[in-house]
Amino acid sequence: DTAVSQTPKYLVTQMGNDKSIKCEQNLGHDTMYWYKQDSKKFLKIMFSYNNKELIINETVPNRFSPKSPDKAHLNLHINSLELGDSAVYFCASSQRSDTGENGYTFGSGTRLTVV
Amino acid sequence: GNSVTQMEGPVTLSEEAFLTINCTYTATGYPSLFWYVQYPGEGLQLLLKATKADDKGSNKGFEATYRKETTSFHLEKGSVQVSDSAVYFCALNGGFKTIFGAGTRLFVKA
Repeated sequence: DTAVSQTPKYLVTQMGNDKSIKCEQNLGHDTMYWYKQDSKKFLKIMFSYNNKELIINETVPNRFSPKSPDKAHLNLHINSLELGDSAVYFCASSQRSDTGENGYTFGSGTRLTVV
Repeated sequence: GNSVTQMEGPVTLSEEAFLTINCTYTATGYPSLFWYVQYPGEGLQLLLKATKADDKGSNKGFEATYRKETTSFHLEKGSVQVSDSAVYFCALNGGFKTIFGAGTRLFVKA
């Protein structure tokens, strides 16, 4: 029973293409996140949704667009992919967004390679 | 703004050695503090947490104490194993989002 599942695990695509990454959690959590991990392992938050409402939108190019059809799903669509978008993208979820004291549950990541 | 600084790696130890990975933070208010572990090819897993000053988080032989006076949350383990080889992230949450340190890679040799 995977708690936070992301698909696909690997994604290789050409510059200029549009691609989507899907995320689903079966933990009943209210809040979901997208993080980007670069080649040096540095993690940066991109977006957060609480009960389908966008609550965090960091400085991310508008080529990146999150969508949350319900509180168990958070997808990430990327338009006009660039070489610099190559990274590992992690989805995560948590019980509550305001206190943050419960920690996050992460998916296993999607390794995106733009060629 | 909030930030987390942890010691640079890699840290290389022999099996059964004592481990310390330093972590200090800057935050307004009273954040919750965490250590996460990332094994190769996997996502991050919550290792331990502490939500208020002087709390000690512990799990799988790892410990860390929330020290408000020194703004620190150092990770320790008395005797590491080869299976502990991974990247360790210190993190804080002051509300709404978690900020991660840069990660410290640990290698444990048999």
